[in-house]
Amino acid sequence: AQTVTQSQPEMSVQEAETVTLSCTYDTSESDYYLFWYKQPPSRQMILVIRQEAYKQQNATENRFSVNFQKAAKSFSLKISDSQLGDAAMYFCAYRETSGSRLTFGEGTQLTVNP
Amino acid sequence: NAGVMQNPRHLVRRRGQEARLRCSPMKGHSHVYWYRQLPEEGLKFMVYLQKENIIDESGMPKERFSAEFPKEGPSILRIQQVVRGDSAAYFCASSQGSYNEQFFGPGTRLTVL
Repeated sequence: AQTVTQSQPEMSVQEAETVTLSCTYDTSESDYYLFWYKQPPSRQMILVIRQEAYKQQNATENRFSVNFQKAAKSFSLKISDSQLGDAAMYFCAYRETSGSRLTFGEGTQLTVNP
Repeated sequence: NAGVMQNPRHLVRRRGQEARLRCSPMKGHSHVYWYRQLPEEGLKFMVYLQKENIIDESGMPKERFSAEFPKEGPSILRIQQVVRGDSAAYFCASSQGSYNEQFFGPGTRLTVL
């Protein structure tokens, strides 16, 4: 069974600084998708960024980028120029290419200090 | 275009009562997923449905829980004889197809007294 592990229950960053959230996963599949979701206090799940495993190039969305290391099964999220609105719980998630269910990690609570 | 809608947003039940959670997918979406988030935990997959069909219910507890997605109307997650351990946030997501992006609703927070 696939598992997703986020080893940092909490992280904090100063406004305008950069922070990296870690995620590792376990799978025997060669093709799959990885995601980072943001859950603010409203609890709405918001997709931040997505990575296809067959793509070597790391995905980027504005201030958000990932470091995808397939051999190491690592998928970290880097947030540059952190803003107060980035404060939230961040979840890493995995999905098989041929599957539909998302498997989530336990989350990392990010605090942004002014 | 309205997003995924869930109601109620908050639901309080006493032990032994039934809870019905509703999910209306985004327009054009015929695939619905239910996830449960226990306090201080990540989301856990429960069930995946298409119109009138349960595709994958491997994450559903064996007893007291059921889900449906009728031809007309919202998807319903039903919990019979609720217990305190059922207290959680229940999220619905929808997608256009099996392998398309899932869009999440705002969740229903169930509290069992």
